[in-house]
Amino acid sequence: QKEVEQDPGPLSVPEGAIVSLNCTYSNSAFQYFMWYRQYSRKGPELLMYTYSSGNKEDGRFTAQVDKSSKYISLFIRDSQPSDSATYLCAMRPNFGNEKLTFGTGTRLTIIP
Amino acid sequence: EPEVTQTPSHQVTQMGQEVILRCVPISNHLYFYWYRQILGQKVEFLVSFYNNEISEKSEIFDDQFSVERPDGSNFTLKIRSTKLEDSAMYFCASSLGAGLQPQHFGDGTRLSIL
Repeated sequence: QKEVEQDPGPLSVPEGAIVSLNCTYSNSAFQYFMWYRQYSRKGPELLMYTYSSGNKEDGRFTAQVDKSSKYISLFIRDSQPSDSATYLCAMRPNFGNEKLTFGTGTRLTIIP
Repeated sequence: EPEVTQTPSHQVTQMGQEVILRCVPISNHLYFYWYRQILGQKVEFLVSFYNNEISEKSEIFDDQFSVERPDGSNFTLKIRSTKLEDSAMYFCASSLGAGLQPQHFGDGTRLSIL
């Protein structure tokens, strides 16, 4: 079983729709969870960063972590064409281990 | 907004040659990282660096790889004798600290080994 699994897509949705992106993981030691957005030929850009279980909201983005199910989600409300990118989940254990483990990324296209 | 900068954006090198990839982390950050992404694959951790020494490295980071912070602003990754399979995007990242401090990435150097 892979440490972090993410559906690679591609995922296409119409502008204005709610987008749901997900990752599952197997390592129960993961405590910090991140979502990065990556445009073509660019580096990963941090979108959301959460610690342990719960929800975090930032503008149109909401990150959810369910540690009991080893499942994390990113929701994008009122999606825009500029949201078209690859979305990477990343996670790492607690303090003292800085290595990020990434998912494969989900390629998202928002159709105007 | 401060950002991590990487040079060059694209490096083409003959197999067996040495290559140095350069990064300027965000100025007040203390932790530095290298990751790589082979085309079509996930981003993989190579090494983390803190207080002028390697704090963690992956199994990919063998004796052919080394890192250095030669001055107060640069952070470099050297590959001594490049192989075809070293062809990838190499990302530098930095963070203010450990724990709750997130890692911020540069736009990468695309390394092509011929």
